[in-house]
Amino acid sequence: TAGITQAPTSQILAAGRSMTLRCTQDMRHNAMYWYRQDLGLGLRLIHYSNTAGTTGKGEVPDGYSVSRANTDDFPLTLASAVPSQTSVYFCASSRSPGDSPLHFGNGTRLTVT
Amino acid sequence: GQNIDQPTEMTATEGAIVQINCTYQTSGFNGLFWYQQHAGEAPTFLSYNVLDGLEEKGRFSSFLSRSKGYSYLLLKELQMKDSASYLCASMDSNYQLIWGAGTKLIIKP
Repeated sequence: TAGITQAPTSQILAAGRSMTLRCTQDMRHNAMYWYRQDLGLGLRLIHYSNTAGTTGKGEVPDGYSVSRANTDDFPLTLASAVPSQTSVYFCASSRSPGDSPLHFGNGTRLTVT
Repeated sequence: GQNIDQPTEMTATEGAIVQINCTYQTSGFNGLFWYQQHAGEAPTFLSYNVLDGLEEKGRFSSFLSRSKGYSYLLLKELQMKDSASYLCASMDSNYQLIWGAGTKLIIKP
């Protein structure tokens, strides 16, 4: 089934450790996004990529980095996790930047202790 | 600043009609989106409005008034499976989505 795959589904991470959240799509979408979702807040954009080889900063990029080596993969790395990064992380894609609708992965629930 | 407002929680009865309101203030406007999100799942697309008026899609309809910065999602013939959060999002002049915190809809038998 075509779509977006995120891994892991959930993770408990000690503060100060690093981690990469994986995201792969098989729809050949050009644009990909990473959001975090926290209780009582709307989805907040962390980083985005309009096409392979390019990335950009969203609303809350600090403490996170991304890469887009090819069309399909868009990993999100936390270099040194802090408790405020406890959240649910969603990867999403669209055919082109600003195109609708967004297709979302099933999310990664991350707890930083 | 950019802001999306929607009620935190609403309760309705199975078989009834419910209207979820959303007001938005964004830098520029390229459309208003509604997504449905069941607990523990990913958001899924429901509707998109860029012109004033009502868009009907089965039991769900979405309305937009650009002059008032206002939209609503209308759900008819409510079913228990409609229990979910409904997310309103406005696309700004940079084609970035600004999201509301979501409205949790509770359906009672």
